[in-house]
Amino acid sequence: DTGVSQNPRHKITKRGQNVTFRCDPISEHNRLYWYRQTLGQGPEFLTYFQNEAQLEKSRLLSDRFSAERPKGSFSTLEIQRTEQGDSAMYLCASSLTFVQGNGYTFGSGTRLTVV
Amino acid sequence: DQQVKQNSPSLSVQEGRISILNCDYTNSMFDYFLWYKKYPAEGPTFLISISSIKDKNEDGRFTVFLNKSAKHLSLHIVPSQPGDSAVYFCAASEGGSQGNLIFGKGTKLSVKP
Repeated sequence: DTGVSQNPRHKITKRGQNVTFRCDPISEHNRLYWYRQTLGQGPEFLTYFQNEAQLEKSRLLSDRFSAERPKGSFSTLEIQRTEQGDSAMYLCASSLTFVQGNGYTFGSGTRLTVV
Repeated sequence: DQQVKQNSPSLSVQEGRISILNCDYTNSMFDYFLWYKKYPAEGPTFLISISSIKDKNEDGRFTVFLNKSAKHLSLHIVPSQPGDSAVYFCAASEGGSQGNLIFGKGTKLSVKP
């Protein structure tokens, strides 16, 4: 297994368009997280899944954002009616179980540019 | 309001010397602290963590120190190597949370040969 895979690596879209990103976690990992990182900031938590169940959503996740993890494997993050403020790096991470203090594995991210 | 603060945007050290990266926090409910390293065009990589009930954790060249009364932690890298040049993020998790981390803004470390 080569780690957490995210596609596409880069996405340029026009304001108002919908975009979807995909994350393939490490195969045996049952926890999957989405973070967003804007320029000059650290990653900010968006949401996480335990298997297929979405257990927590940040207030940053407006109603234009939706995430799914069907069958508890890969996950998708969709942004509807994109705005320029959505331009950021979207990071996915996964872990085997939740053990506090154990870092999880991040993917390389999808960089979104809204023009 | 930032709960995890890394007040130094950048740090430059000579190869072989010690690098000290600092982090301050405001939330006394944090019970785990983690350090991540990030190279350009890659995701953050977990380095080391420390529980709030400890004051030191060491892993090879990396040591994290926690001063709970001052709400301050630091990452020491000894000796520093050019390959350590990266952005270092401090992160924290709150007791009872389910793994979502709160990150600082990061410190860019440059290790010069």
